[in-house]
Amino acid sequence: RKEVEQDPGPFNVPEGATVAFNCTYSNSASQSFFWYRQDCRKEPKLLMSVYSSGNEDGRFTAQLNRASQYISLLIRDSKLSDSATYLCVVNIRSNTGKLIFGQGTTLQVKP
Amino acid sequence: NAGVTQTPKFRVLKTGQSMTLLCAQDMNHEYMYWYRQDPGMGLRLIHYSVGEGTTAKGEVPDGYNVSRLKKQNFLLGLESAAPSQTSVYFCASSSPRTRQAGYGYTFGSGTRLTVV
Repeated sequence: RKEVEQDPGPFNVPEGATVAFNCTYSNSASQSFFWYRQDCRKEPKLLMSVYSSGNEDGRFTAQLNRASQYISLLIRDSKLSDSATYLCVVNIRSNTGKLIFGQGTTLQVKP
Repeated sequence: NAGVTQTPKFRVLKTGQSMTLLCAQDMNHEYMYWYRQDPGMGLRLIHYSVGEGTTAKGEVPDGYNVSRLKKQNFLLGLESAAPSQTSVYFCASSSPRTRQAGYGYTFGSGTRLTVV
């Protein structure tokens, strides 16, 4: 079983739609959680951290459910520019800073 | 601009050749990492370093060696390249301070390596 699992998609949605991605992680010692965005042939970039209380950044909302070991990302009012691959990422409790990446979920927003 | 710089950006190698990928960061980060990214596999950790002079194996270390002689540089070496090492290689850095602030990693722009 992969440590971080995501549905690879692709998710094809029209502009203005709301779309949600889920991710599950297997290690209960996971400490920090993130969503990264990766555009085609570019490096991943941090989109947002995910906290137990949930957090929002504009059109993006991230939620963490520690009991069920899953993380979600909700994108409201999708824009063409949101088309990218979204990586679910966890940090296992350690002193190394290692991050474990999911394989990513591809989003294509169409006009 | 501050950040992580990788060189080269592209390279084609013949099977059996050797090469070194350089990663340099100017953010005074303690931790540095080398990942490879392949279609359908996501990012997989090759080697990492938690400080100058220290390195450790990640998930897929075979066929690679690393060195961290200076805090700002992390080198990835391929001693005898194989077609299975065709991939996109990303270097990243972080710090306990950036983790606590929730800032995660800073990535370099990647090296696209083809082994023929």
